[in-house]
Amino acid sequence: SQTIHQWPATLVQPVGSPLSLECTVEGTSNPNLYWYRQAAGRGLQLLFYSVGIGQISSEVPQNLSASRPQDRQFILSSKKLLLSDSGFYLCAWSRALNEKLFFGSGTQLSVL
Amino acid sequence: GESVGLHLPTLSVQEGDNSIINCAYSNSASDYFIWYKQESGKGPQFIIDIRSNMDKRQGQRVTVLLNKTVKHLSLQIAATQPGDSAVYFCAENPPGYSTLTFGKGTMLLVSP
Repeated sequence: SQTIHQWPATLVQPVGSPLSLECTVEGTSNPNLYWYRQAAGRGLQLLFYSVGIGQISSEVPQNLSASRPQDRQFILSSKKLLLSDSGFYLCAWSRALNEKLFFGSGTQLSVL
Repeated sequence: GESVGLHLPTLSVQEGDNSIINCAYSNSASDYFIWYKQESGKGPQFIIDIRSNMDKRQGQRVTVLLNKTVKHLSLQIAATQPGDSAVYFCAENPPGYSTLTFGKGTMLLVSP
C-alpha cells in the first residue's frame, strides 16, 4: 500500500531563518506531488505541484520554493522565512492530476 | 485554489443523529467530486468520491449525493459519532485547472 511521510510535525523558526520541509511517498511510482498551506480555520491553498522529477509548477508568488530531486521526494524551502509564512503545511500525492489526493500528516510551522 | 473565509460554517448534532453536510460546487463541467475529513492538527483524509455519471454513492455510514442541475453535493453521515467531529471539505476537478479545487469546509461538532 502507499504511504506518505512528512516531517517534522511541528517547527518553530525565527524570522529570516531558512526552511526545509521534506515529504516522501512509498509504494507508488511517478506520483504527482503537491504542497498546500492552510491558515488556521481556513481552507487549502495550493502552493506547488510536480508531475515529475525536476518539474515544479508554482500556483502563487511567494517566499517559498519547491524541488523534486527524486521521483518520490518533494521538498519545500525558503531562504529567509517571513512571519506570514506561518501555517500548517501539507504534502499530498495523487496518481494523476485531478484525481483524489492523499495527504500527509502536516507540519505546523510557527515563524516568530 | 484557495478557499477563504474567516469563519467556517458549523453543524452541531447529537450523537446518533444523521448529519448532512452540503457543498455548492462552482463549475458545471466538473465531473469528479470528493469529500475529505480533517481532524484538528491532522491532514485531510479521503472519505468518498463520486463521478458525474452517478447521483448517489454509498460507503460505510456515509452517502454522497450529487445534484448536477443545481451544482450541489452533499455528504450524509448515518448515526453520527463523536469521532466524526472534524472539518469536512468537498473538492471538484474543474476543467482548465491542473488540480482539484477545494470548498471552504464545514465544521461538524458531535456532542454525546
